[in-house]
Amino acid sequence: DAGVIQSPRHEVTEMGQEVTLRCKPISGHDYLFWYRQTMMRGLELLIYFNNNVPIDDSGMPEDRFSAKMPNASFSTLKIQPSEPRDSAVYFCASSLQAGKKFFGPGTRLTVL
Amino acid sequence: KQEVTQIPAALSVPEGENLVLNCSFTDSAIYNLQWFRQDPGKGLTSLLLIQSSQREQTSGRLNASLDKSSGRSTLYIAASQPGDSATYLCAVRRVDSSYKLIFGSGTRLLVRP
Repeated sequence: DAGVIQSPRHEVTEMGQEVTLRCKPISGHDYLFWYRQTMMRGLELLIYFNNNVPIDDSGMPEDRFSAKMPNASFSTLKIQPSEPRDSAVYFCASSLQAGKKFFGPGTRLTVL
Repeated sequence: KQEVTQIPAALSVPEGENLVLNCSFTDSAIYNLQWFRQDPGKGLTSLLLIQSSQREQTSGRLNASLDKSSGRSTLYIAASQPGDSATYLCAVRRVDSSYKLIFGSGTRLLVRP
């Protein structure tokens, strides 16, 4: 298995633009998580899905953030409109029930 | 509110030394605890997962212990190597139905050749 796949690996955009981050979890995993990592706040859980259904989105900072999981092999995290304070590394992770979480390589987002 | 603390924030040791990384958490009602490794510019790699009913887990040169009552976990690395240089993070999962992990801020380890 290729592990959790994220794209793009790097994204540089201007304030106000829409940003879409993509994730393909490990095949067979039933949980998918979106995390954000910054120097100031460390790793924060934004939202997670179970069997494609959003379970807890309490970590999503604002209405500008939205996440979808249309099927078991794909999820998106969208920021619209983006702001400089959204600059961070965004990680997607997947797991099989209560087992180990496997993280993707992350998307480094810079909003100018 | 669960808080996870890792001490020290950074550690530099010569190759071959045995070392211990510390993780403490404020609420002992945890489901499990997981240790991760993060290399610069990369994602997190899961090293060890300890269920709340377990006291330790071992994988190769790594040994993680868990003392729930005192709110502590340690990651022991035997015979450290330069390739062990990375940031090590611990994370706890709450005992409720949530699958959230609460992360510590990590210990940045440098193993000098």
